[in-house]
Amino acid sequence: EPEVTQTPSHQVTQMGQEVILRCVPISNHLYFYWYRQILGQKVEFLVSFYNNEISEKSEIFDDQFSVERPDGSNFTLKIRSTKLEDSAMYFCASSRDRQNSPLHFGNGTRLTVT
Amino acid sequence: DAKTTQPPSMDCAEGRAANLPCNHSTISGNEYVYWYRQIHSQGPQYIIHGLKNNETNEMASLIITEDRKSSTLILPHATLRDTAVYYCIVRASGGSNYKLTFGKGTLLTVNP
Repeated sequence: EPEVTQTPSHQVTQMGQEVILRCVPISNHLYFYWYRQILGQKVEFLVSFYNNEISEKSEIFDDQFSVERPDGSNFTLKIRSTKLEDSAMYFCASSRDRQNSPLHFGNGTRLTVT
Repeated sequence: DAKTTQPPSMDCAEGRAANLPCNHSTISGNEYVYWYRQIHSQGPQYIIHGLKNNETNEMASLIITEDRKSSTLILPHATLRDTAVYYCIVRASGGSNYKLTFGKGTLLTVNP
């Protein structure tokens, strides 16, 4: 069964550094998403992406964040200057359509900012 | 997005059916009910979704009331591996707002 894959599984970075989290969505999916989950808290929506554009973003997704689909298979989340509070699990998801098709999630990247 | 209400926790004996309730009284006519679960810190796992009719797949059954204001997820024969947080989510429709919004969910503990 096709699945969403994320790399790396764990990323440690120093405060102020840039990080790029990578995701390979399911191949025939057209809609892409990033979520995050701070330890012990809810899964929070960050951004949705379709047709090479951001469809919707949350208040969390400020100017420090950006997304890109650079080559038709990868979907990346960049954090320009990491802060301690960016430490979280980051989940990528994809779906075939935008209502009657479930989102399928990867197993996440654990980002630790020191 | 329409809000959902779920009990914070439930227990179930292994081998018995687990029935997880969800209230979504403000759901709109074209909004779907989705169920996901999350085991430890793994990515949320899709279980099932529906609009009006009851649905069944290899994992679970979804019963939606006729007025669509509530639903129940049924795991017919719960195992220890079904211990997880279960999320009931109403998915907005139309326009650019089609994300899933996760609440706190129900922590289901399956006991031996």
